[in-house]
Amino acid sequence: RKEVEQDPGPFNVPEGATVAFNCTYSNSASQSFFWYRQDCRKEPKLLMSVYSSGNEDGRFTAQLNRASQYISLLIRDSKLSDSATYLCAPRGTGGSYIPTFGRGTSLIVHP
Amino acid sequence: NAGVTQTPKFQVLKTGQSMTLQCAQDMNHEYMSWYRQDPGMGLRLIHYSVGAGITDQGEVPNGYNVSRSTTEDFPLRLLSAAPSQTSVYFCASSYSFRRQGLMNTEAFFGQGTRLTVV
Repeated sequence: RKEVEQDPGPFNVPEGATVAFNCTYSNSASQSFFWYRQDCRKEPKLLMSVYSSGNEDGRFTAQLNRASQYISLLIRDSKLSDSATYLCAPRGTGGSYIPTFGRGTSLIVHP
Repeated sequence: NAGVTQTPKFQVLKTGQSMTLQCAQDMNHEYMSWYRQDPGMGLRLIHYSVGAGITDQGEVPNGYNVSRSTTEDFPLRLLSAAPSQTSVYFCASSYSFRRQGLMNTEAFFGQGTRLTVV
């Protein structure tokens, strides 16, 4: 089983919609998780961190479910500019702190 | 602050040629890594370094070498290019910090190198 699994999508939603992505991870020792955003033909950039208590930043909410080993990203009131690929990344274990990425979930927000 | 600088941005190689992708960071980050990104495959870790003089293999290391003689530089060498190495390569530097009692890391990426091997 891959360490990180994501539904590649694409998720095709209208402006203003609420959309959620999940990411499952296999290493139960993972303690910290991150969502990165990657625009077409650009480098990934950190979107937000995910902690046990969850994390909210404006229209974006990230949650962690340790029992089921998945993290989620919820985007409310989608904007055209939210169109991108969203990559899930557990913090590397064993002290390396090198992130391992999922395949990413593609989001397309249309007018 | 330049962040992470990768060169070149584009490269075409013939099968069997060797070359080095350059990566430099000016943030004094301890960790550096190389990923390749192929359609439908996401970012796959090639090699990484946790400090100057220390490197280790990632998920897909075959055909690549790295070295880390300084904190700033982490070049990736293709020993004998093959068409299967056609990809987009990203270098990243990262640092660790403590938040909510946990050690975290944030990675900063270079703009990528689009490599085609013919």
